[in-house]
Amino acid sequence: KNEVEQSPQNLTAQEGEFITINCSYSVGISALHWLQQHPGGGIVSLFMLSSGKKKHGRLIATINIQEKHSSLHITASHPRDSAVYICAVRWGGGNQFYFGTGTSLTVIP
Amino acid sequence: EAQVTQNPRYLITVTGKKLTVTCSQNMNHEYMSWYRQDPGLGLRQIYYSMNVEVTDKGDVPEGYKVSRKEKRNFPLILESPSPNQTSLYFCASSSTGTYTTEAFFGQGTRLTVV
Repeated sequence: KNEVEQSPQNLTAQEGEFITINCSYSVGISALHWLQQHPGGGIVSLFMLSSGKKKHGRLIATINIQEKHSSLHITASHPRDSAVYICAVRWGGGNQFYFGTGTSLTVIP
Repeated sequence: EAQVTQNPRYLITVTGKKLTVTCSQNMNHEYMSWYRQDPGLGLRQIYYSMNVEVTDKGDVPEGYKVSRKEKRNFPLILESPSPNQTSLYFCASSSTGTYTTEAFFGQGTRLTVV
């Protein structure tokens, strides 16, 4: 079974700080997703990665397939970035998704 | 607008009373799935469907049923709900052209079974 681990579990940052959230998984995957869940509960897909790096605005996601590791970076963090960030993987041999338990980010003005 | 619609958003019910949570998507996606989210456990997959009439169990299927009679709809059925099914439920969809496609989530259904 694929295990997905995220770190840190909780993170508090000052506005403007550079933030990194990490995700490690145990078996080969076909894709990794980064999701954002706001306090209201809705989930939004931020990135889907199978290799390399992607950037949307202040968010950057990278993945190292050999090391089975992905990072989500937020540059110039803002209070509106406060949310839970969840890593999800879809492993290469199947159709199920496995999720990390999430990183709760609070950005203080 | 591309979206996944779940209903209801909130539901309080009693033990044993059958209920259905609906999920509909307007993106012609083949892949649809249901998840539950519990504190400390994160999201766990209940059932998924690769296409019409094709469904399969996820990690936590006990106590749930699903059906996929039409491509756009994927209802979650609790035949005899129990308090341990109190949770936040999400439906999601994506294309299966490859495994590397974006997932779209519904707004969630908060279910309380008393």
